[in-house]
Amino acid sequence: AQTVTQSQPEMSVQEAETVTLSCTYDTSESDYYLFWYKQPPSRQMILVIRQEAYKQQNATENRFSVNFQKAAKSFSLKISDSQLGDAAMYFCAYKLPALDMRFGAGTRLTVKP
Amino acid sequence: DAGVIQSPRHEVTEMGQEVTLRCKPISGHDYLFWYRQTMMRGLELLIYFNNNVPIDDSGMPEDRFSAKMPNASFSTLKIQPSEPRDSAVYFCASSSGTLGTEAFFGQGTRLTVV
Repeated sequence: AQTVTQSQPEMSVQEAETVTLSCTYDTSESDYYLFWYKQPPSRQMILVIRQEAYKQQNATENRFSVNFQKAAKSFSLKISDSQLGDAAMYFCAYKLPALDMRFGAGTRLTVKP
Repeated sequence: DAGVIQSPRHEVTEMGQEVTLRCKPISGHDYLFWYRQTMMRGLELLIYFNNNVPIDDSGMPEDRFSAKMPNASFSTLKIQPSEPRDSAVYFCASSSGTLGTEAFFGQGTRLTVV
């Protein structure tokens, strides 16, 4: 079974600083997808960034980037120049093509002004 | 597109009552997922459909829970009878198996069973 582990229940960052959220996963598959979702207090699940496992290049979306280490089964999210609006729960997720998505337990990110 | 639409946004019901949650997926998406979110258990997949057919319902807690997808644009999750431990946020999500793989979520239904 595929599992996703987020070992940091809570993280805190100073506004304008950089923070990295950790995620590891367990799988025997070679073709899969990884995602980071953000859930603000409004509870809406918002896709932040995605990574295809067959791509070696790390995905980047503006201030958000990932460090994808396939051999280590690690998928961390780096948020640069943190903003107050980045405060939210962040979920790492794993998905096989055409199958369901599995989520980690989440990391609550606090941004201090 | 309006995105995934769930109704109601909030539901408060008494223990023992039947509760029906509704979901309209994004047009053209052929996968639909029901998740439950609680503080204790996080996001749990309850069931998912492909082309209106249930594929995996192993996450459904017990026989009190049932889900249907009568057509490509509508799905329901029913709890009968409801219990206080069913209190949670229930999310519906949809995705396309061909165009992409991420799931698009509705805004969720917060269910409170008293």
